[in-house]
Amino acid sequence: DAKTTQPTSMDCAEGRAANLPCNHSTISGNEYVYWYRQIHSQGPQYIIHGLKNNETNEMASLIITEDRKSSTLILPHATLRDTAVYYCIVARGNTDKLIFGTGTRLQVFP
Amino acid sequence: DTGVSQNPRHKITKRGQNVTFRCDPISEHNRLYWYRQTLGQGPEFLTYFQNEAQLEKSRLLSDRFSAERPKGSFSTLEIQRTEQGDSAMYLCASSSSRAQYFGPGTRLLVL
Repeated sequence: DAKTTQPTSMDCAEGRAANLPCNHSTISGNEYVYWYRQIHSQGPQYIIHGLKNNETNEMASLIITEDRKSSTLILPHATLRDTAVYYCIVARGNTDKLIFGTGTRLQVFP
Repeated sequence: DTGVSQNPRHKITKRGQNVTFRCDPISEHNRLYWYRQTLGQGPEFLTYFQNEAQLEKSRLLSDRFSAERPKGSFSTLEIQRTEQGDSAMYLCASSSSRAQYFGPGTRLLVL
């Protein structure tokens, strides 16, 4: 079973920040938080990952709480092309299989 | 394009036939994964290779399924005696020290 809990769906206006929450209260000390997204009929796309520090790349920012029991993925300026299912996954690193839940369906509207 | 590639992209077959899918990972990646995704669900892990060694297999991988990675480069996933329940998207991923990177998938429809 997935070790994360995410809202089923969210809406966001184009140009605004999209903040996607994830709870992972049973995360272990050696597990990372990974975020992937899947646009309809495509393979999942890696977005970002982190262990305990906040991370930022060209796609998004990842904010992890100090106790590591939850995190938030931030898309700073959402576009229509960001409409997708977003998956939050905890895993022990690049050798670990990924256990996907059902994710959050983000709808960006004009 | 240097991403993960999968062939074919779509496959329609009749129940009872055998099918084989191919995955070409990113060239410097030594780990390769297969996942299966049914409609409305997230991908589910099937099996994993490090170089040519198959290190883990899910219970989802029945004896009709076999995967190989003979030279530690491309991989094949074969399904024998297909059943309608095998209809799904079959995804391949390869990994670096950062993360797993997925291919576009092969969509299988068993009639």
